[in-house]
This record gives sequence, structure tokens and C-alpha cells, in this order.
Amino acid sequence: KAGVTQTPRYLIKTRGQQVTLSCSPISGHRSVSWYQQTPGQGLQFLFEYFSETQRNKGNFPGRFSGRQFSNSRSEMNVSTLELGDSALYLCASSFYGTGGGDTNYGYTFGSGTRLTVV
Amino acid sequence: QKEVEQNSGPLSVPEGAIASLNCTYSDRGSQSFFWYRQYSGKSPELIMSIYSNGDKEDGRFTAQLNKASQYVSLLIRDSQPSDSATYLCAAHPPVNSGGSNYKLTFGKGTLLTVNP
Repeated sequence: KAGVTQTPRYLIKTRGQQVTLSCSPISGHRSVSWYQQTPGQGLQFLFEYFSETQRNKGNFPGRFSGRQFSNSRSEMNVSTLELGDSALYLCASSFYGTGGGDTNYGYTFGSGTRLTVV
Repeated sequence: QKEVEQNSGPLSVPEGAIASLNCTYSDRGSQSFFWYRQYSGKSPELIMSIYSNGDKEDGRFTAQLNKASQYVSLLIRDSQPSDSATYLCAAHPPVNSGGSNYKLTFGKGTLLTVNP
């Protein structure tokens, strides 16, 4: 069973540019979440998508956006890049996501995209 | 602000010893808890999940949950050098009917070093 696939693995961008990251979840998983990991702040939640709808968003500026396609693949976009956006961006997929008392919603992370802004 | 706190470490233990990792959380409504292991330069890997008070064992790993004290721990028995990594504790709220609160809140992790 294929895992969560993130592309590209590494990116170097210049301040002011924009970037698009891609995530393909585990087959059958409909929930895709994005997290930013930095040494200072740790793992921080960006947003979560389920069935092409953004259900939850973290405390990030509007430069960070995302979308999910009908095949559950997701993309996130960062516009007008700043030096502080340098981080490891992680995508996580989960099987469950419709509530109703379920507790077994383990998240599986992809390998991440390492973004460096210079 | 809902937070998960972990001692950043480093926690150093000799090979074969028990490593004890601790985590506290501020949101009393948190329902489920997860321990992830992250090797340097790699992504987090889920090693344990726990939803009910008490202990849950899986091989050399035991997760403990005390919701009254808002405390979660991970014990690693017979620690091996390959266990050297950062261990991340995460909390998840009970999922509401629309799933709009579907997210993990992470601690900043504890660096564990197992010395041969």
C-alpha cells in the first residue's frame, strides 16, 4: 500500500516568489492536512481538507492557501515568500474525518517538502 | 491557546534501560493522543495512539494516559541506539459532526539519545 507522497522533496525559492507543493494521500483516505515544521515553533497546523472542502485553518496569513481535488490529492500554495517561510512542510492523510464518536483517526505523514527561501 | 508541553531534553539513557517521555496538555476536552517518532531529517512516524485512561502496550512501547491529570507518557523498554530520535506528543479533540476541528496539536518534542 503506497504511503503519502509529497513532491517536490526540496525547493529553493527567492523572496517574493510563490510556490506550490503537492500531496497525494494514501488510497482511500479523504482527509488531508498540512503542517509547517520549524526548529523554533515545532509542528504547526496549516489547514485540513475533506472531500475538496477546507474544514479547518490554522493561524497563518492569507499567503498560505490550499485546495483538494476530487481524487483527494491536495496542493498548498504560498505566495510572496518570506525568509521566515523556510521550513519543512508536511502533509498528513487520515482515513476518517466525519465525526460521530470515532477515535481511530491516526494520521500518516508524507516525507515532507523542505522549502528554503533565500 | 490549547497547548501540549514536553520537556525538550535531551534525555540520555544507556542501552537496555527504560526511557520515560512525558507530555501534558491544556485542553481538557482532548480525546485522543498520539506519539510520533521523528529521526533527524525525516518525517514523523506514528508509533502509539491512546484514547482511554490507563496503559496501552505495543512491543517495547507503553503509552500511559491520565485524563484527570492531563498527562500522557511513553515508556520505551530495553532502549536501543536505533530509538535515538525526537519524540513528539500530539493531542486531538473529539471530532465534531462536521469534522471542522479535525487537527493535531503537537508538543515541540523530546530528543532521546540512547547510548551504546
